Amino acid sequence: QKEVEQDPGPLSVPEGAIVSLNCTYSNSAFQYFMWYRQYSRKGPELLMYTYSSGNKEDGRFTAQVDKSSKYISLFIRDSQPSDSATYLCAMKDDYKLSFGAGTTVTVRA
Amino acid sequence: DADVTQTPRNRITKTGKRIMLECSQTKGHDRMYWYRQDPGLGLRLIYYSFDVKDINKGEISDGYSVSRQAQAKFSLSLESAIPNQTALYFCASGEGSTDTQYFGPGTRLTVL
Repeated sequence: QKEVEQDPGPLSVPEGAIVSLNCTYSNSAFQYFMWYRQYSRKGPELLMYTYSSGNKEDGRFTAQVDKSSKYISLFIRDSQPSDSATYLCAMKDDYKLSFGAGTTVTVRA
Repeated sequence: DADVTQTPRNRITKTGKRIMLECSQTKGHDRMYWYRQDPGLGLRLIYYSFDVKDINKGEISDGYSVSRQAQAKFSLSLESAIPNQTALYFCASGEGSTDTQYFGPGTRLTVL
């Protein structure tokens, strides 16, 4: 079993829709939770990170962490075609960062 | 200018050849990483270095070696390339307790 599970999609939504992405994990030692965005033929870039359970907002993006359920989510409101990318969740314990497989999202104009 | 650069960006080679991928960062980070990305498998850690004298194996280090020539430079070598090492390779540098990592643009390697 992988430490981090993420549905690879693909996910296709119309412009303006809410995009919902999620990951589950098995390692209770994970302390930091991140979302990276990767455009085609580019390296991943950090989108958001959270430390504790709860919600964190940044513009149209909301990251949610539920440590009791070992479940994290990313919501994108009012999605735009420029949000079309692969989104990777990542989690860190004391030693290393572990990534999900990534979910490919397409926002249709 | 990009903060993390990788050379080459694309490389096609043959089975058995020795290959070196190079990475440089201008962010002044002590930590550097090498990952490979394969469809459906996400990013997997090959090697990481917390400073110039510290090199550690990641989850898939077999068939790879690294050299940390300076704080800013971290190279990955494939001593004898094989076809299942065909993948997208990313270098990253990291900082802080959260280990926020900044990735290079990637090297697409094809081993025939």
